[in-house]
Amino acid sequence: NAGVTQTPKFQVLKTGQSMTLQCAQDMNHNSMYWYRQDPGMGLRLIYYSASEGTTDKGEVPNGYNVSRLNKREFSLRLESAAPSQTSVYFCASSAGAETQYFGPGTRLLVL
Amino acid sequence: GDSVTQMEGPVTLSEEAFLTINCTYTATGYPSLFWYVQYPGEGLQLLLKATKADDKGSNKGFEATYRKETTSFHLEKGSVQVSDSAVYFCALSDRGGNYQLIWGAGTKLIIKP
Repeated sequence: NAGVTQTPKFQVLKTGQSMTLQCAQDMNHNSMYWYRQDPGMGLRLIYYSASEGTTDKGEVPNGYNVSRLNKREFSLRLESAAPSQTSVYFCASSAGAETQYFGPGTRLLVL
Repeated sequence: GDSVTQMEGPVTLSEEAFLTINCTYTATGYPSLFWYVQYPGEGLQLLLKATKADDKGSNKGFEATYRKETTSFHLEKGSVQVSDSAVYFCALSDRGGNYQLIWGAGTKLIIKP
């Protein structure tokens, strides 16, 4: 049982480049989330998907887009990366009943 | 809106010391409360939770009691180990229908041998 998986684990981008962060869960959860974690800022919600076919903005959505591809997969896209998007990105999922399960994270460096 | 406030870190203790990490919250309604732990280089994992007033969550020697009268959910452990060194996050659920969690800023715990 893999839980929540994320790829890649680490990525370096140049300003203006694009990339997609992938997330998949095998727990049959309805809800999925993307967070970013910055030093001293805790976790901030970027986007979430309460169920397959729906997505909603979180606290810090600017510069990002998401796709809920199916029940298992929820991707996060940076269309034109900026240095301010250097961060650690976490995907999480839940059955909707509050407890969230996290992936190992993607460390992104934008130069 | 709802919010969570945690004590600032880092908190540095010697092995076998008693641990308290304070967490207070503001919320409308009756949220569930959580403590998550993040070990170095890893994602967050649920440590314990409580879903109603006076509930006590416990796991791995850690405990926290949901205190509605003081709007608190302080994390405690009687005797910490070096392996408890991590960042601890307090969170509450938003029961507004989208099951978002409202997060505290995290408290880094350092345990010295």
